[in-house]
Amino acid sequence: SQQGEEDPQALSIQEGENATMNCSYKTSINNLQWYRQNSGRGLVHLILIRSNEREKHSGRLRVTLDTSKKSSSLLITASRAADTASYFCATGPYNQGGKLIFGQGTELSVKP
Amino acid sequence: EAGVVQSPRYKIIEKKQPVAFWCNPISGHNTLYWYRQNLGQGPELLIRYENEEAVDDSQLPKDRFSAERLKGVDSTLKIQPAELGDSAVYLCASSRRRGQGANEQFFGPGTRLTVL
Repeated sequence: SQQGEEDPQALSIQEGENATMNCSYKTSINNLQWYRQNSGRGLVHLILIRSNEREKHSGRLRVTLDTSKKSSSLLITASRAADTASYFCATGPYNQGGKLIFGQGTELSVKP
Repeated sequence: EAGVVQSPRYKIIEKKQPVAFWCNPISGHNTLYWYRQNLGQGPELLIRYENEEAVDDSQLPKDRFSAERLKGVDSTLKIQPAELGDSAVYLCASSRRRGQGANEQFFGPGTRLTVL
């Protein structure tokens, strides 16, 4: 079963604009991770935020986590055509080791 | 470092036939995962290994699916017999640390299975 729900399911923007994707989850977590998947390929890890962190940055990526609302957001600033991909949030449930539960993903299209 | 290797990349079989997928994780990663990803969905965990021990196989349909990780390195996932609903991408991933804590997972390219 998939814990996360992502919003929107699909997002289309112009190059240079910012893209925001949201993720909600149901159970207590150790951490939340975001992954990117290009068409027909495996997933690539983007960023990890622990349950005691509220915000994290990595290059053009900014992730926020609100454990009281059980939600997270991923912001990609100054998007590029190469950012076109599916983005998945994955939660690491509390006390379940390295297990990850993935959401259904947001399909991002960045038009040049 | 070399990434997670999976083979084959594509497999087309008829229903009721057996099929096997192979995965070689990143060297030194003692945790290995098998996921199934249906079209338009996120990956769903089938089984997780810590070294050669299957520590979470609650999502593995045990009537037709089996997996092994002999010697705690590479792994095979088998389906016998395959059904139409098994058509999906089967992803293998590995990570460095075991047990509690945050683990970044490294994914292979996947095997796309089509059951006719």
